[in-house]
Amino acid sequence: EDQVTQSPEALRLQEGESSSLNCSYTVSGLRGLFWYRQDPGKGPEFLFTLYSAGEEKEKERLKATLTKKESFLHITAPKPEDSATYLCAVQPPGGGGNKLTFGTGTQLKVEL
Amino acid sequence: NAGVTQTPKFRVLKTGQSMTLLCAQDMNHEYMYWYRQDPGMGLRLIHYSVGEGTTAKGEVPDGYNVSRLKKQNFLLGLESAAPSQTSVYFCASSSRQIQPQHFGDGTRLSIL
Repeated sequence: EDQVTQSPEALRLQEGESSSLNCSYTVSGLRGLFWYRQDPGKGPEFLFTLYSAGEEKEKERLKATLTKKESFLHITAPKPEDSATYLCAVQPPGGGGNKLTFGTGTQLKVEL
Repeated sequence: NAGVTQTPKFRVLKTGQSMTLLCAQDMNHEYMYWYRQDPGMGLRLIHYSVGEGTTAKGEVPDGYNVSRLKKQNFLLGLESAAPSQTSVYFCASSSRQIQPQHFGDGTRLSIL
């Protein structure tokens, strides 16, 4: 069974204090790994797709990396507006409909 | 940019009542999905559709029905609501390729 585990569950950072969020997965083959950001009362907002080990994607203060068993979301010099829940999801091979299996998320709070 | 629109945004039902949640997308996506999000459980797939006139079961389909009569719309029905169906419901859509799913802002449903 495909599983996605995110850690930590919650993280509090001071503004400017860099850190990383972890997403470990067990899936027999991987078509894609997705990172989303979710603000309170809103739907998940797409950030990145990673397809193969060694791949990296960057957007502003965020950088996502992928290995064969896990992905990291690195946050460099975060600001309070980066506070949100970050979700990781994997798309296994086969089946139909591009279904995703989601982790439970990391709730990030960035304080002044 | 409307994207994925869900109606209603909030609803309170009594046990045994029925209702339909509506999802509309304007991106001409083939695939559409219904998820529920509960604290500590992450997003779980209820039903999905790979095209107009098609539906398929996801991870937690019991107690729900869906229909996709038009490509742009995906309806989620609760025939006899139960308190265990109190949740936040999200609709998403995606294209055929390995592309990210785009989410609406959710329907918050409480069943008393």
